[in-house]
Amino acid sequence: GQQLNQSPQSMFIQEGEDVSMNCTSSSIFNTWLWYKQEPGEGPVLLIALYKAGELTSNGRLTAQFGITRKDSFLNISASIPSDVGIYFCAGNYGQNFVFGPGTRLSVLP
Amino acid sequence: GAGVSQSPRYKVAKRGQDVALRCDPISGHVSLFWYQQALGQGPEFLTYFQNEAQLDKSGLPSDRFFAERPEGSVSTLKIQRTQQEDSAVYLCASSLVVRTASGANVLTFGAGSRLTVL
Repeated sequence: GQQLNQSPQSMFIQEGEDVSMNCTSSSIFNTWLWYKQEPGEGPVLLIALYKAGELTSNGRLTAQFGITRKDSFLNISASIPSDVGIYFCAGNYGQNFVFGPGTRLSVLP
Repeated sequence: GAGVSQSPRYKVAKRGQDVALRCDPISGHVSLFWYQQALGQGPEFLTYFQNEAQLDKSGLPSDRFFAERPEGSVSTLKIQRTQQEDSAVYLCASSLVVRTASGANVLTFGAGSRLTVL
């Protein structure tokens, strides 16, 4: 079935550093979504990407839909403590969405 | 409502008990999804409704799992004869429509129901 890989699995960074994470698949997707999940909560949408090559920003977050439609990346600039959480990518196929295993981000003060 | 509401937030069941988890989607949202999230994993698809019709239940792990949305709004996920491997967070998400001219619409998640089976 459809499967997404995310890297890195986890990362520890200093406050103020930039962060980059990506999501890859062997399958083509029509839409890429990036979510953030904090403990005890459901995933919250950060950015939605609808076209190959699309680059979209939301504040300090920037995400791109890969040209091959098989990958996407998310960048966070000037990280702050509240960026801590698990970041999931999700790809749309048919009427469904498949999620990656997540990248766990820790920000050290 | 303003967001997707799920209840109960926490449920502890003894092995063999039946449980029912409720999801109240955003008012007017046509599509409703159930996902299962094991500890340290991403959400795994269980089933999908468009209005009251269950269009895809391919992710339900066994026939002990059953979901319904009889009036096209509130949905219930029922697990019969719970087993320890059913312990997970069950996430509900809703969406206004599945597809728009620009692509698929996005999912809005509830906070989840954490099920622990002893």
